[in-house]
Parts: sequence; C-alpha cells; structure tokens
Amino acid sequence: DTEVTQTPKHLVMGMTNKKSLKCEQHMGHRAMYWYKQKAKKPPELMFVYSYEKLSINESVPSRFSPECPNSSLLNLHLHALQPEDSALYLCASSQDGAGGSDTQYFGPGTRLTVL
Amino acid sequence: GESVGLHLPTLSVQEGDNSIINCAYSNSASDYFIWYKQESGKGPQFIIDIRSNMDKRQGQRVTVLLNKTVKHLSLQIAATQPGDSAVYFCAENMNPGGSYIPTFGRGTSLIVHP
Repeated sequence: DTEVTQTPKHLVMGMTNKKSLKCEQHMGHRAMYWYKQKAKKPPELMFVYSYEKLSINESVPSRFSPECPNSSLLNLHLHALQPEDSALYLCASSQDGAGGSDTQYFGPGTRLTVL
Repeated sequence: GESVGLHLPTLSVQEGDNSIINCAYSNSASDYFIWYKQESGKGPQFIIDIRSNMDKRQGQRVTVLLNKTVKHLSLQIAATQPGDSAVYFCAENMNPGGSYIPTFGRGTSLIVHP
C-alpha cells in the first residue's frame, strides 16, 4: 500500500464552524505533513509531525490545530476560519523526516471553501 | 531569503517532442532534490529524485540533471504525451535546525498538444 488517503475530498464551512480534516497512511512512515496550496501556487508547509510529535509549525495561525493520534493518522482541526483560508489542504508522509533523502508521498487533498 | 524558482511558468509542446523543465535553486546546502507532477484536482505525485552527489539520474522516459556549479536542476521528458500535461514542481530538501523540510519551486505548467 503506497497510498495516502484524505477525507473529505471537499468541504464547505462557515466562519463560525468547527470541522476536521483527516489523513491516513499505512506505509509505516513516521513523518507526516500538512500543506496548504492556493490555486496556481506551490504547496506551503504548515506542520510536520515526526514520530507522532509536532516538530515544525511554520507560524500557522491557531485557528488551525493539528493532531497526530497515532503513527498512521493525522488530523487538522479547523475553527473560526477566514475566507482567505480557502485552499487545497494536502497531507503527505515520508519515512521519518530526519534524513536528507526522505521522499514525501502526497494524498489527493481536501478542497476547502470558507464562506 | 533563499528560494527554489523556475525559469518558465508555462511550456507548450507537441505530442512526441521532448520537454525540458528547468529549476534554479539558491541554497547551496540543499543535498536532495525531487520532481513532482501535479495534475488538476490531485495531489503532487513523485516522479524522480536526485542526490547532490550525482549529476544525472534516469527513470522511465524522464531524466533529471543537476548542475551544482550553477545551482540548476532540469527535468527532461522524452516523447511527451498528452497525459504528461500537468504542473511540475521541483523541491529541495533543506535542513534548518536538524529537521529536513522540502521547499517547492513556483511550478511550470506543461501543455502537450496532440
């Protein structure tokens, strides 16, 4: 299994809603990532988990809250988002995130629209 | 700050031609580079990678060339097909403070005309 899965595929939410994005991988990878991607732009790193511990937070606003319940799962909790947060949210995983030649494998993303 | 960039935002080719997508990087400490293909509505898909101790690596129909002297990376696609139409990103792995993180270039949109 070389797949990273993400749910839901699409999400529309209001600015007062609370929602969660989910990501799962069964490749035995110990590093997992959240990226945000706007249209026609490259992915921007948000968070990195390594061995279920948050290792990098790229100064992301607190309305985004990551969670890594176990080595296969990664969640992104959303609360009080703004319309400018509308984007494609990508999850990725890699072997352990500690090696220089650690390839990331991406999921299909969740297309988020904030009204 | 240092960044990974691409020379051409859009590349149009005829089916059957060879395609070359270029990428310039400025972080001399980067030692691992990856090319990704992203089709519309999908996540980036790994194509090929190269380490800094190599200058060329070949895959199926794709070749990556690395020129460390001028900090330049290229992706060559042989006999380009309509299914190759996508946005291509190069990424470099940097190591700020001990954790390797990838930094993506701007992306090049490849359009293949039948």
